[in-house]
Amino acid sequence: NAGVTQTPKFQVLKTGQSMTLQCAQDMNHEYMSWYRQDPGMGLRLIHYSVGAGITDQGEVPNGYNVSRSTTEDFPLRLLSAAPSQTSVYFCASSYMGGGSYNSPLHFGNGTRLTVT
Amino acid sequence: SQQGEEDPQALSIQEGENATMNCSYKTSINNLQWYRQNSGRGLVHLILIRSNEREKHSGRLRVTLDTSKKSSSLLITASRAADTASYFCATDAITGAQKLVFGQGTRLTINP
Repeated sequence: NAGVTQTPKFQVLKTGQSMTLQCAQDMNHEYMSWYRQDPGMGLRLIHYSVGAGITDQGEVPNGYNVSRSTTEDFPLRLLSAAPSQTSVYFCASSYMGGGSYNSPLHFGNGTRLTVT
Repeated sequence: SQQGEEDPQALSIQEGENATMNCSYKTSINNLQWYRQNSGRGLVHLILIRSNEREKHSGRLRVTLDTSKKSSSLLITASRAADTASYFCATDAITGAQKLVFGQGTRLTINP
């Protein structure tokens, strides 16, 4: 049982390049989300999804796109990388029980992204 | 702005002592969760307390919730070196949106 798998673990981009951070979970979780973690800022929600075909914005969505074509996968796309997007990115998933958020998140181990 | 704020930002204690971390939040919530993050790793869920609960235990962990003060505390008893990590509270606002908002965390160091 792999849980939440994120690839790659490390990535260096030049300003203006695009890339996709991959996230996959094998727990049949309906809910998936992306966070970024910056020093002194804690975790901030970028985008989230409550099921295949449904996505919504979090606190800091600008510069990022997501899609959810399957239950298992939730890729995060950086359209045109900027130095301000240098961060550690975490994908997380959970079971959604009862319509309110009462389930703990399961996190991947993160992708460390540097934009030069 | 962040929904939850932890206090203190950093805490250093001797092994065997108790560690207490506090979390304050701004809006009414459905539940509050605590997570641990070891250096370079993803967060791991520790405990969830619902808005109608006042106290919850899990092993050496004790969490309290005071909704009138919009605050929670996490107590780790008989601390061990392996407890060295960052601890985050996270809240699910009662607005109905499926968003879990994290605080900035408390960095806990257990000295042998």
